[in-house]
Amino acid sequence: DIQMTQSPSSLSASVGDRVAITCRASQSVSSWVAWYQQKPGKAPKSLIYKASTRESGVPSRFSGSGSGTEFTLTISSLQPDDFATYYCQHYNSYSWTFGQGTKVEIK
Amino acid sequence: QVQLVQSGSELKKPGASVKVSCKASGYTFNAYAMSWVRQAPGQGLEWMGWINTATGNPTYAPGFTGRFVFSLDTSVRTAYLQISSLKAEDTAVYYCARVGYHYQFDFWGQGILVTVSS
Repeated sequence: DIQMTQSPSSLSASVGDRVAITCRASQSVSSWVAWYQQKPGKAPKSLIYKASTRESGVPSRFSGSGSGTEFTLTISSLQPDDFATYYCQHYNSYSWTFGQGTKVEIK
Repeated sequence: QVQLVQSGSELKKPGASVKVSCKASGYTFNAYAMSWVRQAPGQGLEWMGWINTATGNPTYAPGFTGRFVFSLDTSVRTAYLQISSLKAEDTAVYYCARVGYHYQFDFWGQGILVTVSS
């Protein structure tokens, strides 16, 4: 099974900071990676699919990049609404795997 | 608009069973697969499996075979998750999620807290 390892597991940042979260796959997964945002007590929300395509309505400050084994979610200018936990997810032949999550906290 | 509305929280004793529901609206139900995701308290997201809403065929992730059953009632556009022989470690929030065209989980239910306690 392919494992998805996120780093860091948590980070502290200030409003306006540029933030990058990395997800590494244990083997090549092409571009079948999605990113989700989850706020406490709420369901996850899809942000990015196929590594770099934003869902409709997702602010442009969120971007995804990467292919193969390394993927990055970047928030270009952190906003108060962005403090949450972020998960990457890999898809392969109707099987999905989540990364362990990255909690973005206020510095 | 697309909505997945899940049934309410459940409190069950160990050894009991529970069946939770996920009612879809705003799209063609059998055109999109449905997945289930578990989140234990304070933990991350864990994919449980998916069900083909066109055929009713379920597929379970490793670790979710035997006690977990996915089913459908297409007449009411609803997916179900049944868990039998409940254990304390089944205490979690269970989400249904629609599988989008690009295999992302594009819409999610609000989640159901299942608490297993004597």
